[in-house]
Amino acid sequence: DAKTTQPNSMESNEEEPVHLPCNHSTISGTDYIHWYRQLPSQGPEYVIHGLTSNVNNRMASLAIAEDRKSSTLILHRATLRDAAVYYCILRDRRTGANSKLTFGKGITLSVRP
Amino acid sequence: GAGVSQSPRYKVAKRGQDVALRCDPISGHVSLFWYQQALGQGPEFLTYFQNEAQLDKSGLPSDRFFAERPEGSVSTLKIQRTQQEDSAVYLCASSSTSGRAAEQYFGPGTRLTVT
Repeated sequence: DAKTTQPNSMESNEEEPVHLPCNHSTISGTDYIHWYRQLPSQGPEYVIHGLTSNVNNRMASLAIAEDRKSSTLILHRATLRDAAVYYCILRDRRTGANSKLTFGKGITLSVRP
Repeated sequence: GAGVSQSPRYKVAKRGQDVALRCDPISGHVSLFWYQQALGQGPEFLTYFQNEAQLDKSGLPSDRFFAERPEGSVSTLKIQRTQQEDSAVYLCASSSTSGRAAEQYFGPGTRLTVT
């Protein structure tokens, strides 16, 4: 599986935007970029995914570099509830629902009131 | 609607005991995954079912780990002769087959502590 690298941690202030970076220089043309997050004492939850174009949903935005070797998850207004570990994951679209998720250590986001 | 549920939420076992962890996936979800999460680490894949067929068990750490999903819905992860290194959170996830990027829905996990 292609590997992703993320900073260990990041801090933000409540109600400010947050940009969480992810590098995936060995991404292949068939890899989707997925983001999941894990709140304390809970299982991971899906946030967003994309292939080439930037994506928006109710939770976040995903900005994908033109060469696809990096991406950024954007939380437009951080809340205390957004404090979690965020995982950037590559997933081969050819296998779709059959493919496991390969998590790294993720980035721990802290939100200051 | 109901999400993925797991039971028990917490389990304490003495070294050498057998344990069984249950996962109830979202109704109608064909795919079911088990992951193991050690403290401070991301989840690691254990095994995958498509309906009742176990298509990938490459992540099971030893032959003491066994998983089944006999009727294609509820799944059980069994660990025989538990060891201290088995202490972890065991997560179950399910997904539908619709869409190439089918998201996985996770349960809250079972925290296993082996003493």
